[in-house]
Amino acid sequence: EAQVTQNPRYLITVTGKKLTVTCSQNMNHEYMSWYRQDPGLGLRQIYYSMNVEVTDKGDVPEGYKVSRKEKRNFPLILESPSPNQTSLYFCASSLWVGAEQYFGPGTRLTVT
Amino acid sequence: TQLLEQSPQFLSIQEGENLTVYCNSSSVFSSLQWYRQEPGEGPVLLVTVVTGGEVKKLKRLTFQFGDARKDSSLHITAAQPGDTGLYLCAVSYTGGFKTIFGAGTRLFVKA
Repeated sequence: EAQVTQNPRYLITVTGKKLTVTCSQNMNHEYMSWYRQDPGLGLRQIYYSMNVEVTDKGDVPEGYKVSRKEKRNFPLILESPSPNQTSLYFCASSLWVGAEQYFGPGTRLTVT
Repeated sequence: TQLLEQSPQFLSIQEGENLTVYCNSSSVFSSLQWYRQEPGEGPVLLVTVVTGGEVKKLKRLTFQFGDARKDSSLHITAAQPGDTGLYLCAVSYTGGFKTIFGAGTRLFVKA
């Protein structure tokens, strides 16, 4: 089954404790993205990747890191999480930029 | 200021009513997408519009791309409770290879 998987689905952590949210797709897609979704703000792109080893900032990259060492995986790293990073996070992939995006189930992160 | 302005932000209607939601911008886009998101899930693509003036139909949903490719509308005929959800418009190729979403229109259809 073609899908995007994210783990964990729910995470509660404390300020400053490094965490990684994993994302994997099995559709051989080139383009992958991370978004955060906050009430009233829609989806805001954090980082995107055009292909392996090619990543770039979206609109809200501060406080986040990503890597794309393999085509299927695109982890999101929060080196020192802060309460303002409490949000719902989605990973997505598509064949190319502008094509239909397939979204993961979301990760709800709470930073206390 | 958001690149894509969606209106209304919230809409609550009775089953059987018609409605239109809008996605507006001052920028020109090569294409625009509409997604629907249900609670607890990720967005799912409804349609992509590419040509200025283009109209696409998906059952009771009608999508239109403005002639100048700066705006789009989504019209739902005879809304049903199953149409309830968050409707998002999105564009790509803005400022490089970013993807931008509007804030969305949250639709609630009462039975």
